Amino acid sequence: AQTVTQSQPEMSVQEAETVTLSCTYDTSENNYYLFWYKQPPSRQMILVIRQEAYKQQNATENRFSVNFQKAAKSFSLKISDSQLGDTAMYFCAFTPNTNAGKSTFGDGTTLTVKP
Amino acid sequence: DTAVSQTPKYLVTQMGNDKSIKCEQNLGHDTMYWYKQDSKKFLKIMFSYNNKELIINETVPNRFSPKSPDKAHLNLHINSLELGDSAVYFCASSPTGQLSYNEQFFGPGTRLTVL
Repeated sequence: AQTVTQSQPEMSVQEAETVTLSCTYDTSENNYYLFWYKQPPSRQMILVIRQEAYKQQNATENRFSVNFQKAAKSFSLKISDSQLGDTAMYFCAFTPNTNAGKSTFGDGTTLTVKP
Repeated sequence: DTAVSQTPKYLVTQMGNDKSIKCEQNLGHDTMYWYKQDSKKFLKIMFSYNNKELIINETVPNRFSPKSPDKAHLNLHINSLELGDSAVYFCASSPTGQLSYNEQFFGPGTRLTVL
């Protein structure tokens, strides 16, 4: 069974600064995907970024990037130039690369961007 | 056009009633899911269907019964509602197959309140 741990229930950052959200996971799978989802107060879950485990290069999407350390089973999310609209709950998720593999979500980190 | 839609968005009902939540996706995905997000925002998978076939059935009371009439629809019926069923229920869908990332697309959620 997989587990996903987000050790920071709440974080805050000043607008325009950089913040890193941590995520660790445990699995015996070798082939899998990792995701960060964002859930703003509107409650709509939106994919922020994804990483394939077989790729060594860290994924980047505009101001969002990850630090993927496969050996350490760590998958942190870095948000640069934080904006007020980044205020949301962020979920780290693990999905094994099997047909319709079951996703496991972390408990979430509530990020508040302060003006 | 909405990719994953759920109806209703809000549902308030009395304990003991039976209610259904409907989900439809127009993305052509093979797999659909139901998640429960409790008051602490923890997101837990309940069920998953792949091409109308149940593939994930977590430890959920049998008062909850999913039904997938076709691969674009996954409904959730709940019998004898209890106070603890109050939560936000999310439907999601994902493509499957070797070239997919198993990324999940979420519906807007249905906030169920049991009085």
